[in-house]
Amino acid sequence: DGGITQSPKYLFRKEGQNVTLSCEQNLNHDAMYWYRQDPGQGLRLIYYSQIVNDFQKGDIAEGYSVSREKKESFPLTVTSAQKNPTAFYLCASSLDGPWGYGYTFGSGTRLTVV
Amino acid sequence: GQQLNQSPQSMFIQEGEDVSMNCTSSSIFNTWLWYKQDPGEGPVLLIALYKAGELTSNGRLTAQFGITRKDSFLNISASIPSDVGIYFCAGTMDSNYQLIWGAGTKLIIKP
Repeated sequence: DGGITQSPKYLFRKEGQNVTLSCEQNLNHDAMYWYRQDPGQGLRLIYYSQIVNDFQKGDIAEGYSVSREKKESFPLTVTSAQKNPTAFYLCASSLDGPWGYGYTFGSGTRLTVV
Repeated sequence: GQQLNQSPQSMFIQEGEDVSMNCTSSSIFNTWLWYKQDPGEGPVLLIALYKAGELTSNGRLTAQFGITRKDSFLNISASIPSDVGIYFCAGTMDSNYQLIWGAGTKLIIKP
């Protein structure tokens, strides 16, 4: 079955560490996205990529980095520069690009700083 | 970034009741989408609306694209326990094709 796989489901980070969240899709979608979700808030866009080897900053890119070396993969690194990284992170993909049609989401990664 | 005004923030309802929620904006939108998120999962698309005045149903769910293009409504009829979760509206504007999200409506069914 096609879909998006995020791993790990739960991740604990010590202060000052970088961590990488995995996102893999087998839907043959061109566009991929990373969102951050905090309690009581909507989804905030961190980064998105419309094509391999290209990505754009979203609304809250500071303290995060991404790569898009393969169409299927869009890993997100939460760096030590992100001062409040505890959140639920969602990866999504779409066939047509960032205009909102047919987003498919992964099951999320919950990151906690300890 | 811009957000949509989604209300209510949360709803406590009895099983069997009808539910209504809405999203509004001061800007014109050309697409409205309604998603549902179960706890610990990613959102799933429920209904997509593409034209002003459009009324679309998906089972017990009905959504409408407001005539002014500045609002959208979602109704759930005869709620059941599996309807609990967070409902998000989202939309796109002519000037910016990024998906803009509401803050969500949390639906809780009273035991």
